[in-house]
Amino acid sequence: ETGVTQTPRHLVMGMTNKKSLKCEQHLGHNAMYWYKQSAKKPLELMFVYSLEERVENNSVPSRFSPECPNSSHLFLHLHTLQPEDSALYLCASSQEPGGGAAYGYTFGSGTRLTVV
Amino acid sequence: AQRVTQPEKLLSVFKGAPVELKCNYSYSGSPELFWYVQYSRQRLQLLLRHISRESIKGFTADLNKGETSFHLKKPFAQEEDSAMYYCAPWEAGNMLTFGGGTRLMVKP
Repeated sequence: ETGVTQTPRHLVMGMTNKKSLKCEQHLGHNAMYWYKQSAKKPLELMFVYSLEERVENNSVPSRFSPECPNSSHLFLHLHTLQPEDSALYLCASSQEPGGGAAYGYTFGSGTRLTVV
Repeated sequence: AQRVTQPEKLLSVFKGAPVELKCNYSYSGSPELFWYVQYSRQRLQLLLRHISRESIKGFTADLNKGETSFHLKKPFAQEEDSAMYYCAPWEAGNMLTFGGGTRLMVKP
């Protein structure tokens, strides 16, 4: 599949579980992002990676741990989450950090996370 | 501080009516501007960008530097336009910033 692919599409986990979200892009982009989308804050930037290095972390709780092993893959490791962490988690990529004037971001379909 | 505001969380219009989704930004420089759209059960995707001066699906957006606005307009709304719309300014050296979004509902 071309574009940005996220797995799994849906995830239900208990508060003591450990799980990981995966994102993969086949666009040759150099920057990748994690966003949280919920009713309270529609699009909340969590992490930004540029060329596999984290360049921004918007004060996200440590129970969320990102990993970017290469420019095509991005993970979000989850542990001891709270019910309020239930949301749609979106991955995005861009040709350059920030998006650029002409291209913006390409988003994945998201992982719908439910914490019980 | 950089800020983007979409004052309406929900906009409801009848099919065939004109629609305008408002976006105001507060930036020190001259950002580039984008509109993103998210249809039900679909991914967030780029709708149009100011730099291209394009019209997509009948939508246009005019940049008003004096009012620092980038409102999205369509003369005749269709039911399939129902979606969540996000305005997003971008300035070199910074990340794309998304507004709070406006949900457009087009009623038959």
